[in-house]
Amino acid sequence: SQQGEEDPQALSIQEGENATMNCSYKTSINNLQWYRQNSGRGLVHLILIRSNEREKHSGRLRVTLDTSKKSSSLLITASRAADTASYFCATDAADSGGGADGLTFGKGTHLIIQP
Amino acid sequence: DTGVSQNPRHKITKRGQNVTFRCDPISEHNRLYWYRQTLGQGPEFLTYFQNEAQLEKSRLLSDRFSAERPKGSFSTLEIQRTEQGDSAMYLCASSLGGRSFFGQGTRLTVV
Repeated sequence: SQQGEEDPQALSIQEGENATMNCSYKTSINNLQWYRQNSGRGLVHLILIRSNEREKHSGRLRVTLDTSKKSSSLLITASRAADTASYFCATDAADSGGGADGLTFGKGTHLIIQP
Repeated sequence: DTGVSQNPRHKITKRGQNVTFRCDPISEHNRLYWYRQTLGQGPEFLTYFQNEAQLEKSRLLSDRFSAERPKGSFSTLEIQRTEQGDSAMYLCASSLGGRSFFGQGTRLTVV
C-alpha cells in the first residue's frame, strides 16, 4: 500500500509561474524525498529533507516539512517547459530497520507547464 | 545519468514464459532495492539487499519472483510463469546515506 498522497493529482500552469505540490504521509519518518519522473523513464532524485529539518532549498526548488501535520510541500519557482513531469514524494519510515523497507511513494502529481 | 544501469529497457514476453532483469548499481552503494511501478501509480517496494544478503521482501513478491545479488554487486530479478498482471515498470535503486538513485527501469509487457 502507498503511504503518501500528493495533491493535486494534476497541475497545469503557464511557463514562468510557480508550481506548488503537497504531500501527506501517515507514519513517523527518518526523511522525505522528492523525485521527478519523465514519461516512461526512471526517477530523478530532487531533494531530501530530514525529519529534524523544516525547510530546504536547491536551485529553483523549495521543500518544506511539517512533521506535526505529516505533510510536505515542493515549490518550483519560475517554471519552465522542461519541468513538465510527474513529481513523487517518498518517505523513509522511522521504524523501517535502517531503510530495509525501502521508500514508500505516493501516486504523484502530474505537472504540465504550458509554454 | 544516475549511474544505476538496468537491462533490458523493454521486454515483451508471452504469458507463462520466464523473464530475468539485471541491475548494476552505483559501485560504492551497498544497498540495492527493487520496485514495481504500474501506470498512474508510484513505485512499490519489492525487495532489498544489503551487500549480497536479501533482508526484506514485500508481500507483493509472490513465489514466482526471485531476486539475487550473488557477489554484492549486480542484482537479477526473475519472474517465472509470467502473468498479464506482471506487466509493469521494474525499477532498481541503490542507496548511500539515505538518498536512493534509480535506474531507467525495465518495462515488461506480458501478452
